[in-house]
Amino acid sequence: GQQVMQIPQYQHVQEGEDFTTYCNSSTTLSNIQWYKQRPGGHPVFLIQLVKSGEVKKQKRLTFQFGEAKKNSSLHITATQTTDVGTYFCAKGTGTASKLTFGTGTRLQVTL
Amino acid sequence: DAGVIQSPRHEVTEMGQEVTLRCKPISGHNSLFWYRQTMMRGLELLIYFNNNVPIDDSGMPEDRFSAKMPNASFSTLKIQPSEPRDSAVYFCASSFSSSNQPQHFGDGTRLSIL
Repeated sequence: GQQVMQIPQYQHVQEGEDFTTYCNSSTTLSNIQWYKQRPGGHPVFLIQLVKSGEVKKQKRLTFQFGEAKKNSSLHITATQTTDVGTYFCAKGTGTASKLTFGTGTRLQVTL
Repeated sequence: DAGVIQSPRHEVTEMGQEVTLRCKPISGHNSLFWYRQTMMRGLELLIYFNNNVPIDDSGMPEDRFSAKMPNASFSTLKIQPSEPRDSAVYFCASSFSSSNQPQHFGDGTRLSIL
C-alpha cells in the first residue's frame, strides 16, 4: 500500500527545545491518527484528526491537519526527557478499521 | 481493564522450527491486527480480521506465514519453517471495526531466529 512519509527520521534535541514532526501523503487523507512508542514499548494512541485544518492540543503537544488533508504535524513545546520515543502518524481508510503507519520520527532528548 | 495480551514476550529458536505467536484482543473489540516491526521496514501490517474473518492478508510475506482467529478472543500467527530474516518484534492490536477507531497494541513478541 501507499506509505505515509514522515520527516525527519530522527531528531536529537536538548531538553526545553521544541520539536516538530511532519507527516505527508500524496493522496487526500480521510483521517490521521498519531501514536507514540517509547523505547522497548508498543505504539500508544495519542489523538485522531478528521477535519480539514483541525488543530488539537494535549498539554505541550499540538496536532494539526492540513487544509488539503494531505499532511499533518505534531509539535512539542519545551521537550522533556519523558518525550523520548518514536512518533508515528497513521492514515485510515475512511471506511474500515485498517491503518497504514508512517515511517516514524525518533526523538531523543538530552539534558 | 485488561489490554491486548500477547505471548510469548520473547522467543528464541533455531531456523527451520515452527513458531506460534498468540494474541488475546480486548474484550468487545471485533477487529484484530498483526504487525511486524523491524528497523529496516518499520511497522508493517501483516493481516487483519473483522469479526474473526481475515479481511486483508496482502501484507503476509509468504506462504510460511499463516494466521487464524478461531474465536473472538484468540488469534495465532504461525511461521513454519522460520528463517533468520523473520527476526522482528510482532505486535497484535485490536479495535472496534468501524472507521476512525484507535488501535490498542499488545506488548509484542520479540522473535529471534538463529
